[in-house]
Amino acid sequence: EPEVTQTPSHQVTQMGQEVILRCVPISNHLYFYWYRQILGQKVEFLVSFYNNEISEKSEIFDDQFSVERPDGSNFTLKIRSTKLEDSAMYFCASRPGQIAGDGYTFGSGTRLTVV
Amino acid sequence: AQSVTQLGSHVSVSEGALVLLRCNYSSSVPPYLFWYVQYPNQGLQLLLKYTSAATLVKGINGFEAEFKKSETSFHLTKPSAHMSDAAEYFCAVSEGTSYDKVIFGPGTSLSVIP
Repeated sequence: EPEVTQTPSHQVTQMGQEVILRCVPISNHLYFYWYRQILGQKVEFLVSFYNNEISEKSEIFDDQFSVERPDGSNFTLKIRSTKLEDSAMYFCASRPGQIAGDGYTFGSGTRLTVV
Repeated sequence: AQSVTQLGSHVSVSEGALVLLRCNYSSSVPPYLFWYVQYPNQGLQLLLKYTSAATLVKGINGFEAEFKKSETSFHLTKPSAHMSDAAEYFCAVSEGTSYDKVIFGPGTSLSVIP
């Protein structure tokens, strides 16, 4: 069964450093998403991406965050200057998009630890 | 705005007992509803979804959920709990628009007691 692949599975970074989280969505999917889950809390929407541009973003997704799909396969989330509170599990997801409510396929996540 | 509430942040059941995880939603439009499961240190896996067809939805691993519009509920059930069902369960809602942002509930942690 097709999978959404995320790398790395765990990343430790120093506060103030830039990090790039990588995702390879399912190849024929059209819509891409990033969510995060702070330890013990709910899964929160960050951003949706379609047709090479952001379609919606949450309040969390401020100027320190950016997304891009540089080569038609990878989908990346960049955090420019990490803060301690950015420590969380980050999930990438994709969906085909042809059918409303068709549900996401999630990756296994990247656990980001900011020290 | 859409929202999801899940009654009970933690539920414990005995192995073989009925599992009932509660979910209520708020949506200004007919919703699309989902249950996701998260096993320890893993990602989110879609259990089942409601997309305005049958109100009783069957999913993987013997789970099912019933959409009740009058109660704005989408409770998840399984007749007989198995040890492998221990996980975090998230109810989620979307408007089914093109961009289809999904809003998650806070989650319910299910423990299964041998």
